[in-house]
Amino acid sequence: IAGITQAPTSQILAAGRRMTLRCTQDMRHNAMYWYRQDLGLGLRLIHYSNTAGTTGKGEVPDGYSVSRANTDDFPLTLASAVPSQTSVYFCASSPGLAGGPDTQYFGPGTRLTVL
Amino acid sequence: GQNIDQPTEMTATEGAIVQINCTYQTSGFNGLFWYQQHAGEAPTFLSYNVLDGLEEKGRFSSFLSRSKGYSYLLLKELQMKDSASYLCAVRDSNYQLIWGAGTKLIIKP
Repeated sequence: IAGITQAPTSQILAAGRRMTLRCTQDMRHNAMYWYRQDLGLGLRLIHYSNTAGTTGKGEVPDGYSVSRANTDDFPLTLASAVPSQTSVYFCASSPGLAGGPDTQYFGPGTRLTVL
Repeated sequence: GQNIDQPTEMTATEGAIVQINCTYQTSGFNGLFWYQQHAGEAPTFLSYNVLDGLEEKGRFSSFLSRSKGYSYLLLKELQMKDSASYLCAVRDSNYQLIWGAGTKLIIKP
């Protein structure tokens, strides 16, 4: 693994089904993030984690949950998918160190369609 | 509310120079980022400004004026591979990034 990976690449899901999007990074970054990107809108933060064992809510957390059991993995779960959750989902990570830019690096994304 | 404004689309000619503007109104300011995103791909980091002035990195430069809530990304000697969306993002007082919708740059031969 080099950098940050996401799985699956794409998925078509029936409404009401449960789905977990996977994200793994090998950069030993403290902070991780989940965004959704919709046409005409900026990236919107769903949930974040500043360090393993902690999580926080972003701008659009409803219908989503996350966990951060270790440094490397940050899965995003849709408990009961709805069509409005159709989007491209990006996972990102950053060093999470005080001072400096704390630049975020993005995974390749998961394209999710909920029918 | 918090707001990041940038033009939706711009067109430029190969070999020319283009300036993409970004204005912001956020609760606090802890740095401004520019990312490049090719269609169907992930955003990739281009530049970071936290102090007023110009940061130059090869063909790309980024400028910041905190008093005006304004930044621009300057791309010189445009190449066809520069066709992409350019995203402006500001880190607010909660240290979260607020993102603009992006500017789609079309390069014509």
